[in-house]
Amino acid sequence: GNSVTQMEGPVTLSEEAFLTINCTYTATGYPSLFWYVQYPGEGLQLLLKATKADDKGSNKGFEATYRKETTSFHLEKGSVQVSDSAVYFCALSDPGANSKLTFGKGITLSVRP
Amino acid sequence: NAGVTQTPKFRILKIGQSMTLQCTQDMNHNYMYWYRQDPGMGLKLIYYSVGAGITDKGEVPNGYNVSRSTTEDFPLRLELAAPSQTSVYFCASTDSVNQPQHFGDGTRLSIL
Repeated sequence: GNSVTQMEGPVTLSEEAFLTINCTYTATGYPSLFWYVQYPGEGLQLLLKATKADDKGSNKGFEATYRKETTSFHLEKGSVQVSDSAVYFCALSDPGANSKLTFGKGITLSVRP
Repeated sequence: NAGVTQTPKFRILKIGQSMTLQCTQDMNHNYMYWYRQDPGMGLKLIYYSVGAGITDKGEVPNGYNVSRSTTEDFPLRLELAAPSQTSVYFCASTDSVNQPQHFGDGTRLSIL
C-alpha cells in the first residue's frame, strides 16, 4: 500500500534560517505529491503540489521537487519567518484510488524572532 | 466564497450518545472525504464519496457511518460514541483526481 514518511519533529529555527523538511513516500502507482500547512486552530491549506516526476512545486518562498529516483518530496525555504510557524504535512494522492490522500504524521515548525 | 463548511466547531459528548457532524461544500465537487486527526498521527481517512449516492470505507471506518444524498452534503454519523473517537474531524472535497483537496476548519470532538 501507499505510505508517507516525514522526518521527526518538532523543529525550532531562528528567523531567516534555512528550512528543510524531509519527506519520502512509497506508492504502487504514479501519485501526485502535496505539502499542506495547518496553522493553529485552522484546517489544512494546500501549500504546494507536484503531479509528475521532476516537477517543482513552489509557493510563498517554499519549494519541493518530485524525485522519483529517490521517492522523495523534501520541502525547503531559504529564509523562514515567524509567520511560517505551523504544522506541515506531506501527502500523496493516488489517482487510481479515487484521489484518497495518504498523509505523513506532520511536523511542527516553530520560528523564533 | 464559503468552500467547505463544517458544523459544529466543538462538541462534548457522553459515552454512548450519538451525533452527526455536518459537512457541506459549495464548489460542486464530486469527491468528498472525512478524516480524523489525532496528535502525532497525521490524518486518517474514515469514509469517502465519489458522488451522490456512492460512499466507501477508508482506513478507519469502524464506529462511523456516512451518507451522500446530494452533491453538496456529506454528513458523518457517530452512533455510539466511545472515548477512542475523541479527535479532530476534517471534511475535504475535490473536483477530480490529482487535484488538491479543500479542507474545512474541523470539528473538535471530545467524548467523556
